[in-house]
This record gives sequence, C-alpha cells and structure tokens, in this order.
Amino acid sequence: GAVVSQHPSWVICKSGTSVKIECRSLDFQATTMFWYRQFPKQSLMLMATSNEGSKATYEQGVEKDKFLINHASLTLSTLTVTSAHPEDSSFYICSARGGQGRTPLHFGNGTRLTVT
Amino acid sequence: QKEVEQDPGPLSVPEGAIVSLNCTYSNSAFQYFMWYRQYSRKGPELLMYTYSSGNKEDGRFTAQVDKSSKYISLFIRDSQPSDSATYLCAMPEETGGGNKLTFGTGTQLKVEL
Repeated sequence: GAVVSQHPSWVICKSGTSVKIECRSLDFQATTMFWYRQFPKQSLMLMATSNEGSKATYEQGVEKDKFLINHASLTLSTLTVTSAHPEDSSFYICSARGGQGRTPLHFGNGTRLTVT
Repeated sequence: QKEVEQDPGPLSVPEGAIVSLNCTYSNSAFQYFMWYRQYSRKGPELLMYTYSSGNKEDGRFTAQVDKSSKYISLFIRDSQPSDSATYLCAMPEETGGGNKLTFGTGTQLKVEL
C-alpha cells in the first residue's frame, strides 16, 4: 500500500521552457504533499508543502513564481518549473501523507530534470 | 550546526556483516524517527519508523532510539549486496500538522560479495 507515482521519471528540456511534473497517490488520498529537490550526493531539501485546495507553503529561498505547485485534488499534485535554466537541473521528488499527525511519508521515484 | 548529523560514508562491508548506521540530532522537539533507503536514481523508500526510545525490529532491520542522548541507529543483520544503497534518517517537526521532515545527509552503504 501507500504508493506514490511520479511522472515523468526523467525529462530533458531547453533553457527557457517550462516543465510539469506530476505526483499521484495511487491507493490513498493525500491530504498533504511535499516537493523536494536533491543534488548529487546530497540530502533532500524541502521546497514546498501543499495541502489540497489551498496555496502551497514555500521554504525560504524557493521562488514561488518559478516553481508553481498545484494540488487540485486529494490524489494529484503538480510542480511546474517555469522558464527553466541549467541551474534548475536536479532530481525532484514528491512525497505524500495519507493522514494527519504521525503518518509516515511515502515518496515517489523522483524526476530527473536536465535543462540544456 | 545542522539539526541532524549523519556520516555520509561511504561505508563498505562484506556480505553477511552487521551494519550500524547512526544519526544524531539536536532538536529535542523531534518525537519520532524514520529510516529511508534510497537506491541510485530512485526516491526514498520507508524502511522503519518509531516513536519511542528503545528498539524496534523488522526482519533483518532494527531501529534503536536513545532520546536522552539524541542518537538513533539502524542495524542491518546478515547484510546482502541488495542492501547497497544510501540510508537516510528523517525526523518530522510536528508543527501545525505539516510535519516537515528534516533529513540527515544520508550514509552510502556498499555490501560486497
């Protein structure tokens, strides 16, 4: 149980274009979803927290106009990297929680973004 | 000082060895603890989570928490090459229901034949 699906698994795009990454909870309703970014050999850095039906909460230093998050339903959240640049190349991972309180997070398999 | 400290390794052990992975933390507000395993180019996979001090066992894995020392461990018995991965400890901040996770840097483990 508790499967989180992320799509695409990898994407290459040209500088200046936008890329959308989808995160779905397949067998549970995700009240909260989280978006992380991970650079090679480094840990996960939280970018933003989104709750279904409300605006995302961004971590300090994360540009909300560049990383657009939409959590329109209890099973789907999207991250759109707008006007991507090579420095946005990274591994983006979403996670979801089915309940409140001390419910463990389950992660998607990540999306490797390369901006050329 | 980081809130969660974890030796990045790499840690190389022979097959069948007992592996000990550790994290220390400074925030006494952390109340429960998780261990994730991450294979290369994959998302983290939840291995174990525990709320209280003491040991929790699941198959070849044992999670140990010492809240008085702010120290947690993950032990892997009879390690296998398939255990080769990066192991991350994680602790949530229980604020407003958001439960933001703070991760350690991860320890890279290699189990050799």
